[in-house]
This record gives sequence, structure tokens and C-alpha cells, in this order.
Amino acid sequence: ETGVTQSPTHLIKTRGQQVTLRCSSQSGHNTVSWYQQALGQGPQFIFQYYREEENGRGNFPPRFSGLQFPNYSSELNVNALELDDSALYLCASSMRLAGGFPYNEQFFGPGTRLTVL
Amino acid sequence: QKEVEQDPGPLSVPEGAIVSLNCTYSNSAFQYFMWYRQYSRKGPELLMYTYSSGNKEDGRFTAQVDKSSKYISLFIRDSQPSDSATYLCAMSNNYGQNFVFGPGTRLSVLP
Repeated sequence: ETGVTQSPTHLIKTRGQQVTLRCSSQSGHNTVSWYQQALGQGPQFIFQYYREEENGRGNFPPRFSGLQFPNYSSELNVNALELDDSALYLCASSMRLAGGFPYNEQFFGPGTRLTVL
Repeated sequence: QKEVEQDPGPLSVPEGAIVSLNCTYSNSAFQYFMWYRQYSRKGPELLMYTYSSGNKEDGRFTAQVDKSSKYISLFIRDSQPSDSATYLCAMSNNYGQNFVFGPGTRLSVLP
């Protein structure tokens, strides 16, 4: 069984640029959630994708957008980067059953550390 | 007031000590309560999950939820240096669509 992988590991961008982060979900999982974790803070929910559709969004502006592909891998895109976007971006995958159980364990990847200069 | 509060520490204990980690929350709709462990430069890994109020034990770890007080705890018995990490509580009120995390408590277990 393959775990959650993310790429790249580290990234340095300048203010105003755009960035794309990638996540491969754990084998058999159909749901991907993205989180932003600032230094010394807990992860903050950005959004979740279930079967290629956005299935919930946290308090993040529209310049944070995402995609989920038929193989359930996912991308997080951030436009017009700001200094405060510097953080660890975490992807978590889970298996949500139709009609399903109320709780689905999320498995986290190692994260992509983004630095905005 | 933040939705989930957690003492950031750092908390230092000697090896073998019992560790108590706590979170308080304000949203009474939370039903699922999780504890994650995060090592430096790694993603969080799930330690325990509890539904509604009650206790749950797994090896050296015990999770307690008191919904009436909006208070959850994680106890670590016979703590080991390998337990040194940041411990995050997280909560959700539905399918795990939106986990709300606490800021984490940094724990050091000294040999």
C-alpha cells in the first residue's frame, strides 16, 4: 500500500507569483483534503475534494483553488502569492464510503514547505 | 476566542513520566475528536480517535472526551524519548470534511 506523497518538498517563490502543489493520495482513497500549517500553528483546512468535486472549503480566499483528477490525485493552486502564504502545505487522503460511515481517517503526506519572498 | 485552544508548551518531562495533554473547544457541534502526533518536518499521524464522550485506550495512550465541559485529554503513560513531538488535537462535526486543529503542544521527553 502506497502512502500519501506530495511534491515538491520545498519551494521558494516571490510575491505575486503563482504556485502549484501536487498530492498523490493513498491507494484506494477517493477524498483529498488540503491544509495550511503556519510555523508553530496547527493545520488550517483549505478545502476538500471528493470524487473530483469540491466538497467543503475553509476560510481561504478564491486565489486558493484546487483540482482532483480521476485517479484521485490532487493539485493545490495559489495565485498572487503573498508573504503570509509561507507555510507547510499538507495533503490528507481518506476513503469516504457512499452513504457512509461518519468518520474517515485522514492520512497525511509529509507536506510541501512554501517560502514566499 | 479561538475555536480550539491548546497549551503550546513546550512541555518537558523525564522518561517514564505520565504526560497529560489537553484541549478545550467552543463548538458544541463537534462529535469526532482526534489526537495527532507530528514529528519535525513530517505530516501529522493519527494516534487516537474518539466519537462523542468517553474514554478510549490504546497501549500507552488514553484519550478522554468530556463534551459537557468541552474538554478533551490525551494521557501518555511510561513516556519515552521517542514520544518527543508536537501533539495536535483535532475535531470535526461531520464526515471529517473539516477538521479543526488546535495549535499543538510541543513535548520533550528527557532520557
